[in-house]
Amino acid sequence: GAVVSQHPSRVICKSGTSVKIECRSLDFQATTMFWYRQFPKQSLMLMATSNEGSKATYEQGVEKDKFLINHASLTLSTLTVTSAHPEDSSFYICSARQNYGYTFGSGTRLTVV
Amino acid sequence: AQKVTQAQTEISVVEKEDVTLDCVYETRDTTYYLFWYKQPPSGELVFLIRRNSFDEQNEISGRYSWNFQKSTSSFNFTITASQVVDSAVYFCALSDLYSGGYQKVTFGTGTKLQVIP
Repeated sequence: GAVVSQHPSRVICKSGTSVKIECRSLDFQATTMFWYRQFPKQSLMLMATSNEGSKATYEQGVEKDKFLINHASLTLSTLTVTSAHPEDSSFYICSARQNYGYTFGSGTRLTVV
Repeated sequence: AQKVTQAQTEISVVEKEDVTLDCVYETRDTTYYLFWYKQPPSGELVFLIRRNSFDEQNEISGRYSWNFQKSTSSFNFTITASQVVDSAVYFCALSDLYSGGYQKVTFGTGTKLQVIP
């Protein structure tokens, strides 16, 4: 079936630095990619929706300047957490729409120290 | 706006017992999809099922079965003869159709299932 490859799976970074998370659709074209954030023991909250070749649409309360999303090709979408702080530590996961539903990446656990 | 409620936060069962995970949803749309996903401790989300709002047939897949009742806005998930490998967090989700043509998925808060050997 369709696979979305997400990496890194885990990353630890220092406060104030930026981190880039990549999601690649394998064997299919992902015109739309969804980015979610999940705090421990909580549900997935949609952060933004990216469409290939256009600006991302951010959910209310999500800082677009802090969470930069780029969807430059039909197989690659990236999320960059800029000037990361400890409160940005979370599990980030991407998702691409498929015929049967949605395929999710394996997630990235970000820890900011 | 859509909403998905999973009232059971944690459930523990003994191996081989049957267990039902409840899901109640709210939407104003007449066309929507319902999903169940499994999230094991490793974190990835595993797709289990998608159900179209026009299809109220119950479905069985091995030890898994789903009961969709539009009248009560429920989409419950039953695991028969549970196994330790079923231990995970299970999410029910709903997607509506945005005017922009793409679908946004709303997740419930999840039910953590622990199967005790």
